[in-house]
Amino acid sequence: KQEVTQIPAALSVPEGENLVLNCSFTDSAIYNLQWFRQDPGKGLTSLLLIQSSQREQTSGRLNASLDKSSGRSTLYIAASQPGDSATYLCAVRLRDYKLSFGAGTTVTVRA
Amino acid sequence: GAGVSQSPSNKVTEKGKDVELRCDPISGHTALYWYRQRLGQGLEFLIYFQGNSAPDKSGLPSDRFSAERTGESVSTLTIQRTQQEDSAVYLCASSLHREAGALTGELFFGEGSRLTVL
Repeated sequence: KQEVTQIPAALSVPEGENLVLNCSFTDSAIYNLQWFRQDPGKGLTSLLLIQSSQREQTSGRLNASLDKSSGRSTLYIAASQPGDSATYLCAVRLRDYKLSFGAGTTVTVRA
Repeated sequence: GAGVSQSPSNKVTEKGKDVELRCDPISGHTALYWYRQRLGQGLEFLIYFQGNSAPDKSGLPSDRFSAERTGESVSTLTIQRTQQEDSAVYLCASSLHREAGALTGELFFGEGSRLTVL
């Protein structure tokens, strides 16, 4: 069974600081890995999708890396803003349709 | 539509009543998932539909839960004889397994249906 762990569970940083969020998984035979953002009381918004053949993906201030051999992905958010405050989840898809979600990292960016 | 649409957004019901939650996936998406998220907890897989294949119901917590989907269209999640522990946000997501010949599988979520059982 795929286990997905996100550390830290919560993070508070001053505005402008870079954010580093970690996701680790136990089964390296993954199909892809997806990072999501969830605002309180809302659904999940897709941020980045990394296919198993890729090492990283970038979108604006966001960069996600993937190291399958070590079972890790890292989401970097540059120059954080108060609007980045949310819970960030990673989800790992094995070579079928099943996804395993981490419990998330709750980020607070202080103005 | 532009995104995954869920209704109702909020539902308050009395213990023992039946509820029906609806999900309208992104047009053309063959795969549809239902998840449950209890307050302060992670996502719990409930059921998966892929085209006309038999659904994976392995995540349904009890026989009070059922779901239907006709082809690649709307899905309905039904909870019979609701209990207080059913209170949660029920999230629907859809994806394409193949797009323009490339395997993508990016998952898109709706805003969820918040169920409160009194």
